[in-house]
Amino acid sequence: DAGVTQSPTHLIKTRGQHVTLRCSPISGHKSVSWYQQVLGQGPQFIFQYYEKEERGRGNFPDRFSARQFPNYSSELNVNALLLGDSALYLCASSLAGEKLFFGSGTQLSVL
Amino acid sequence: GQQVMQIPQYQHVQEGEDFTTYCNSSTTLSNIQWYKQRPGGHPVFLIQLVKSGEVKKQKRLTFQFGEAKKNSSLHITATQTTDVGTYFCAGQGGSEKLVFGKGTKLTVNP
Repeated sequence: DAGVTQSPTHLIKTRGQHVTLRCSPISGHKSVSWYQQVLGQGPQFIFQYYEKEERGRGNFPDRFSARQFPNYSSELNVNALLLGDSALYLCASSLAGEKLFFGSGTQLSVL
Repeated sequence: GQQVMQIPQYQHVQEGEDFTTYCNSSTTLSNIQWYKQRPGGHPVFLIQLVKSGEVKKQKRLTFQFGEAKKNSSLHITATQTTDVGTYFCAGQGGSEKLVFGKGTKLTVNP
């Protein structure tokens, strides 16, 4: 069985640009969560979606948005990129929000 | 908001020594989870604790959940080089949000 897949694996953007990150959950998992991990820190919660509805939002600015599609895949969008947005963006899927299965992440560099 | 604090930030041990990391939440938790992240990897689920005072073992790893459901610990007996990585606790309170601590980075000298 395929695990959580994320694309792209690496991305380089410049300040002010927009980025879209994609995530496909494990088959059968209806919940997708997004986390931001800065080097040397723990993952910081951004969003959780369950059955296409937002279930939780972390302390991130409105430049961050997400959505979940009918097939339970998800996108994370970040507008007006700042240098501080450089991080590893992790997607995690679960059956209903408990035990998380993480993807390998998208490493975003903002120059 | 809910905060999860983890100590120590770093731990260096000789192979064969024991290792413990501690986790404290600012609020009572419904459950606490532990994850391991190898260098260059992503967090991998280890265990979930739900009950007050719960103790669970996985081979050389022992996990405890405090009586007040606000603290937890992970103890590794006789560390091996394969134990290298960062260990995160993550607490879930009344909401769906899972809040991670900053992690304890374990290095093991052979």
